[in-house]
Amino acid sequence: NAGVTQTPKFRVLKTGQSMTLLCAQDMNHEYMYWYRQDPGMGLRLIHYSVGEGTTAKGEVPDGYNVSRLKKQNFLLGLESAAPSQTSVYFCASRPDREVYIQYFGAGTRLSVL
Amino acid sequence: AQSVTQLDSQVPVFEEAPVELRCNYSSSVSVYLFWYVQYPNQGLQLLLKYLSGSTLVKGINGFEAEFNKSQTSFHLRKPSVHISDTAEYFCAVGPVGGVKFQFGAGTQVVVTP
Repeated sequence: NAGVTQTPKFRVLKTGQSMTLLCAQDMNHEYMYWYRQDPGMGLRLIHYSVGEGTTAKGEVPDGYNVSRLKKQNFLLGLESAAPSQTSVYFCASRPDREVYIQYFGAGTRLSVL
Repeated sequence: AQSVTQLDSQVPVFEEAPVELRCNYSSSVSVYLFWYVQYPNQGLQLLLKYLSGSTLVKGINGFEAEFNKSQTSFHLRKPSVHISDTAEYFCAVGPVGGVKFQFGAGTQVVVTP
């Protein structure tokens, strides 16, 4: 009963490096979301997807790209990491029939030096 | 668009005392309302939700919240807290029929003996 799994859990990058965060859900959910959490700012939506092959921008999309090639996976990419992207990243998913209950992963703590 | 304001960034409370966390929202459309809890180094878990019907909503771990449409508020309460309630609490709104959620900045609850 895994739910939403995020990998990796921790990562340290140097400015300019690239990386991909993986979110995998085993609940056959249609909707998936990537958020970043920063102190005093709550969760802010980066990108989201309403189904396989679809993605859309959220509140803070700059510097990130996403892909949803398979329904169960939602990837978040940083092409050229910047210190401002130091944050905790959360993935969430929800079904389309059940109203608005998001299921969250445990998070990825990213530091960009 | 929606916005969420959590009026307290930190709430210290003694064990077995009551606690109230305040949440106000603004929206031009009808919304659903949620409270999530985040324990240290974990993802968010749903505490309770208001979708329709009774304005008093009961959730897990003895929490309840009251939806007040005229005051656009959704305050969270617990009559007697435990040490284990130490966590960060997030209020969130989502438009009826929409896809995206808006989270508040969070309220850190610290329960001391």
